[in-house]
Amino acid sequence: DGGITQSPKYLFRKEGQNVTLSCEQNLNHDAMYWYRQDPGQGLRLIYYSQIVNDFQKGDIAEGYSVSREKKESFPLTVTSAQKNPTAFYLCASSITAFEHSDTQYFGPGTRLTVL
Amino acid sequence: AQKITQTQPGMFVQEKEAVTLDCTYDTSDPSYGLFWYKQPSSGEMIFLIYQGSYDQQNATEGRYSLNFQKARKSANLVISASQLGDSAMYFCAMREGSGDSSYKLIFGSGTRLLVRP
Repeated sequence: DGGITQSPKYLFRKEGQNVTLSCEQNLNHDAMYWYRQDPGQGLRLIYYSQIVNDFQKGDIAEGYSVSREKKESFPLTVTSAQKNPTAFYLCASSITAFEHSDTQYFGPGTRLTVL
Repeated sequence: AQKITQTQPGMFVQEKEAVTLDCTYDTSDPSYGLFWYKQPSSGEMIFLIYQGSYDQQNATEGRYSLNFQKARKSANLVISASQLGDSAMYFCAMREGSGDSSYKLIFGSGTRLLVRP
């Protein structure tokens, strides 16, 4: 079955710690994305990657970092510089990042809570 | 300015009836795509339906159809024969153009739908 997996489902972090959220896809998609969702709101783009070894900042990249060393994987690190990291994080992928018709498919999400 | 507006924070519908969820958008790009996603309480965003700006016909996918009125910049989702499992948040989203500007999916604030038995 093709799809996107995210782990862990729930993550608790102490203030001042960095944490890494995993995202893996086996859809053979070139493009991958990280979004953040706060309660009662839509999604906001953190980072995206059009292709392996390339990534670009989205609208709210401060305090986050990513890497794209493999086509299948796009991990997100939430650093201690992120002022308010408690949120629901969703990873997505699409065939390309270039066409408006390319549907983005989402993983199940990781809920991060800072204690 | 809001690019995607969903004016209904919450909606109720009786099981087996049809419901329309509103979405208006704002863009000056002639080429764009409109998407609807469903988010159940588990959190995953589930793709429902897509409409391209140049598509002549309204998109349909099973019980979902998109009422696309280009001149009014509206893309309402119609769910026919509602089921209890349709209770969820529904998000309208847009991707503009092609090339460097098309990477971003812009989301509305969502509509919470509750289906009554």
